[in-house]
Amino acid sequence: EPEVTQTPSHQVTQMGQEVILRCVPISNHLYFYWYRQILGQKVEFLVSFYNNEISEKSEIFDDQFSVERPDGSNFTLKIRSTKLEDSAMYFCASKGTGSYNSPLHFGNGTRLTVT
Amino acid sequence: LAKTTQPISMDSYEGQEVNITCSHNNIATNDYITWYQQFPSQGPRFIIQGYKTKVTNEVASLFIPADRKSSTLSLPRVSLSDTAVYYCLVGDGGAGSARQLTFGSGTQLTVLP
Repeated sequence: EPEVTQTPSHQVTQMGQEVILRCVPISNHLYFYWYRQILGQKVEFLVSFYNNEISEKSEIFDDQFSVERPDGSNFTLKIRSTKLEDSAMYFCASKGTGSYNSPLHFGNGTRLTVT
Repeated sequence: LAKTTQPISMDSYEGQEVNITCSHNNIATNDYITWYQQFPSQGPRFIIQGYKTKVTNEVASLFIPADRKSSTLSLPRVSLSDTAVYYCLVGDGGAGSARQLTFGSGTQLTVLP
């Protein structure tokens, strides 16, 4: 079964550094999402992306965050200047168009640790 | 966005049937109901989705009453490996746009031997 893959599985960075989290969605999917989950808390929506532009974003997704689909396969989340509170699991998800309401398919996440 | 309410936690024993109910009183006409399972340090995994009445697949059943203001996920004969957090999501996905789907707090199911 096709999967959403995320790299790296674990990223450690210093406060103030830029990080790029990478995702390869399922190949025929057109809707892309980033979610995050702080340890012990619920899964929070960050941003959704369709047709090469952001569809929706949450209040968490401020100017420090950006997303990009640089080619036909990758979908990236960039944090320009990381803060301690950005430490979390970041999940990428994609969604197909075969049916009107196809479910989200999630990757296994990148654990970001900001020190 | 339709808000969902689920029990925070449930315990069960191996071999029992588990029913987890989710309330979504302000569900919209176009909204579907989707359940996900999440193990620690893994991404949520799709379990089942429905619009009305009953849906069954190889792992679960989903019961949705006529008013659609709630739904019940039924897991038959649970095992220890079913210990996880279960999330109920409500949304229409949005044909032509990537509308967000919002996770609630989920239900921590613990299956005991």
